[in-house]
Amino acid sequence: QKEVEQDPGPLSVPEGAIVSLNCTYSNSAFQYFMWYRQYSRKGPELLMYTYSSGNKEDGRFTAQVDKSSKYISLFIRDSQPSDSATYLCAMSANQAGTALIFGKGTTLSVSS
Amino acid sequence: DGGITQSPKYLFRKEGQNVTLSCEQNLNHDAMYWYRQDPGQGLRLIYYSQIVNDFQKGDIAEGYSVSREKKESFPLTVTSAQKNPTAFYLCASSPQGPRAFFGQGTRLTVV
Repeated sequence: QKEVEQDPGPLSVPEGAIVSLNCTYSNSAFQYFMWYRQYSRKGPELLMYTYSSGNKEDGRFTAQVDKSSKYISLFIRDSQPSDSATYLCAMSANQAGTALIFGKGTTLSVSS
Repeated sequence: DGGITQSPKYLFRKEGQNVTLSCEQNLNHDAMYWYRQDPGQGLRLIYYSQIVNDFQKGDIAEGYSVSREKKESFPLTVTSAQKNPTAFYLCASSPQGPRAFFGQGTRLTVV
């Protein structure tokens, strides 16, 4: 079993839809959870950063962490065509960035 | 503007040739990293450095080398020993904590 599993998609939704992106993981030691957005041929951009369980909201984006289920989610409300990108989850068991483990990414397409 | 600058954006390598990818940051971050991204794969760690003059191998270091002579700079050399170097290379830096901030990448192609 891979440490971090992420459905590659592609996921296609109409503009204005609510999007749910998910990752599961096997290492119960993970405490730090991140979501990155990567446009084609660009570097990943940090979207959300959470520590331990719970929710975090930033504008149209909400990150959820359920450590009991080893499951994290990113919700995008009122999706826009500019949200079309690949979304990568990443997680770490400690403060050192060396232990950052990435999912393979989910490709999202939002049509107008 | 603060950020991470990778150059060149595109690089072509002939068989048996060494090439060096540049990464510079002005964020005053101590830690810097090199990742490799292939289609359908997650990001894989090549090398990382947490302080000047010190660096460690990541998961796929074979065929690569790095140096960290200055806090701002962390160049990656892809040597001829790397048999499958065609990929998208990403440099990142990090302040204290696990968040990593990425440059815009270098796409390396073997010709």
